[in-house]
Amino acid sequence: KNEVEQSPQNLTAQEGEFITINCSYSVGISALHWLQQHPGGGIVSLFMLSSGKKKHGRLIATINIQEKHSSLHITASHPRDSAVYICAVSKGNTPLVFGKGTRLSVIA
Amino acid sequence: KAGVTQTPRYLIKTRGQQVTLSCSPISGHRSVSWYQQTPGQGLQFLFEYFSETQRNKGNFPGRFSGRQFSNSRSEMNVSTLELGDSALYLCASRQATGANVLTFGAGSRLTVL
Repeated sequence: KNEVEQSPQNLTAQEGEFITINCSYSVGISALHWLQQHPGGGIVSLFMLSSGKKKHGRLIATINIQEKHSSLHITASHPRDSAVYICAVSKGNTPLVFGKGTRLSVIA
Repeated sequence: KAGVTQTPRYLIKTRGQQVTLSCSPISGHRSVSWYQQTPGQGLQFLFEYFSETQRNKGNFPGRFSGRQFSNSRSEMNVSTLELGDSALYLCASRQATGANVLTFGAGSRLTVL
């Protein structure tokens, strides 16, 4: 079993829909990261969380430390949100451990 | 402020050759980490350098090596290339080790024939 599990693996949504991507992890962590990767490879760091909730524009990330679970929400989705979303966890100075990613396609 | 710069962006090599990839971090960032991304395995950590010292190493064979220079620029080298080394190699920088936000480069896509 991977230390970081994401669901769903693939997601297709209509423009305007509310989207949720989930991430569960099995080890104690000091931080959880949400990353976005567009076709072509570049990765952008969206959020780094250690507790609670963060919001940036239409993106919201939450984490429940007790349940070892995090969610990434996208409100009013748009085709430009189409990308792979990757969850990663870290503990202290140990390297990031990545989930397999969720491929999101938003159709106009 | 310039981002993380990786060179070359694309390269093709044949089995048995070696390759060197370069990463220039954001100015002021002293930590550089390297990752391999393949369709089958996803993103995997290779190694991290901080102030010219390797701080962490992933589970890769000794053919994969790296170093960091005094200006924080980093290189990674893969010797005796195998077909399975074909991948996107990404580097990321942050101000220090620990729970800091990472800034990724665009990656170097290596194809081994």
